[in-house]
Amino acid sequence: NAGVMQNPRHLVRRRGQEARLRCSPVKGHSHVYWYRQLPEEGLKFMVYLQKENIIDESGMPKERFSAEFPKEGPSILRIQQVVRGDSAAYFCASSPANEQFFGPGTRLTVL
Amino acid sequence: AQSVTQLGSHVSVSEGALVLLRCNYSSSVPPYLFWYVQYPNQGLQLLLKYTTGATLVKGINGFEAEFKKSETSFHLTKPSAHMSDAAEYFCAVSDRGGANNLFFGTGTRLTVIP
Repeated sequence: NAGVMQNPRHLVRRRGQEARLRCSPVKGHSHVYWYRQLPEEGLKFMVYLQKENIIDESGMPKERFSAEFPKEGPSILRIQQVVRGDSAAYFCASSPANEQFFGPGTRLTVL
Repeated sequence: AQSVTQLGSHVSVSEGALVLLRCNYSSSVPPYLFWYVQYPNQGLQLLLKYTTGATLVKGINGFEAEFKKSETSFHLTKPSAHMSDAAEYFCAVSDRGGANNLFFGTGTRLTVIP
């Protein structure tokens, strides 16, 4: 069984570019969560999605960040006009109901 | 609202010694509590969780944790540390069994000294 898959594992962007992070949940899981981990910090919740719906985006920055989980295909976290402060590890987790399974993360570096 | 405090960002123990990683939580509703382990450049792996029922929870790799409501604590222990236990450990709380977002502590880096 494949676990949660994230790609790319490492992403380098220059300031002002766009970053797209992809997350393929465990097959059959309909809940997806995105977390951000800044250096030397714990994970911070960003957004919780179900298929085609954003359930809770209380942790998402108000600007430049968006997320989707379409009916078909992976969940996408999109960061527009990246800044150096966006450099972090971004983790996706999926859940069937009562436990979250984490992917290996995407490490975003903004130059 | 939920929050987690992990006392000690770095803990060092000798191989074979007791491991104790502290976690205190704050929750306005009965909490669901989790411990995750993160190895370098990897995602988080669930060690154990408390939802309801028995307050002493056993997890993988010989770890266990005890939910103490009166102390609002969920400390992680292991009787005898192994070199392979060296990693970052995160305590997390949720107001549901994981179907809602998790609130994480800042993590404790465990070093095991040979």
